[in-house]
Amino acid sequence: EVNLVESGGGLVQPGGSLRLSCAASGFTFSGDWMHWVRQAPGKGLKWVSRINNDGSDTTYADSVKGRFVISRDNAKNTLYLQLNSLRAEDTAVYYCVRDSSVTRVDYWGQGTLVTVSS
Amino acid sequence: DMQMTQSPSSLSASVGDRVTITCRASQAISNHLAWFQQAPGKAPKSLIFGASTLQRGVPSRFSGSGYGTDFTLTISNLQPEDFATYYCQQYTNYPLTFGGGTKVEIK
Repeated sequence: EVNLVESGGGLVQPGGSLRLSCAASGFTFSGDWMHWVRQAPGKGLKWVSRINNDGSDTTYADSVKGRFVISRDNAKNTLYLQLNSLRAEDTAVYYCVRDSSVTRVDYWGQGTLVTVSS
Repeated sequence: DMQMTQSPSSLSASVGDRVTITCRASQAISNHLAWFQQAPGKAPKSLIFGASTLQRGVPSRFSGSGYGTDFTLTISNLQPEDFATYYCQQYTNYPLTFGGGTKVEIK
C-alpha cells in the first residue's frame, strides 16, 4: 500500500526557514516523480514544486522560486522541501504527492501545517 | 499560466441525485485533466486522470469526460460520503494549475 507521511511543519517567524520531509513507502520511490502542493487555510489547492525520479530536474511555482528547494534521497525513500525566506502568505498545509507515469497524480500524504507568523 | 475555471462554486444536492461539475481550461489541454475530492479536514483524494479514467478503487458512480478545453465530472446516485469539495487540475504544462473548487453540500 502506498503511504506518504509528511513531517517538519510548525510555527516559524517571517524570514525564517523550515525543512519539510515526506517519507514514502509501499512503492518504488525512485521510479516516480513527486510534487509538493499547498493549501492556505480555507483556500484552494496550489501547486508548489516537482522533482523528477532521480532528482536531476526540478520546477517551481513563481511564488516560491528562489526561496524553496525541492530534493529527494532515493536511498532513504524521502522527499524534501526546504523553505527559506518565509512569508506570511506561505502559511498553508503542505502535501506531498506522487506522480506516476501511468496514473499521474494518484496518492497524497496527510499534509503538514506551516504557519508563518511573528 | 493556464487558468482553470470550475462551475458552479457550490451546489446543494440530495442523496441519490446526479450532479455535474464543469471545468474549463483557458487553452486546449488535450485530455491532461485530473479530478480530486477533498472531504472537510482531510487530504485530497485522486479520482480521475486523463479526463475520464478512474483511479483504482474509485466507485463507478464517478465519471469524467471532455477534451481540449471543456470537461465535466459527474457523480451519479450521490452518496453521503460524496459531500465534499472537488477540484480539477491540468497537467499539460507547468505550473500545474487547479480550478477554484466546487463544494457539494447536502440539501
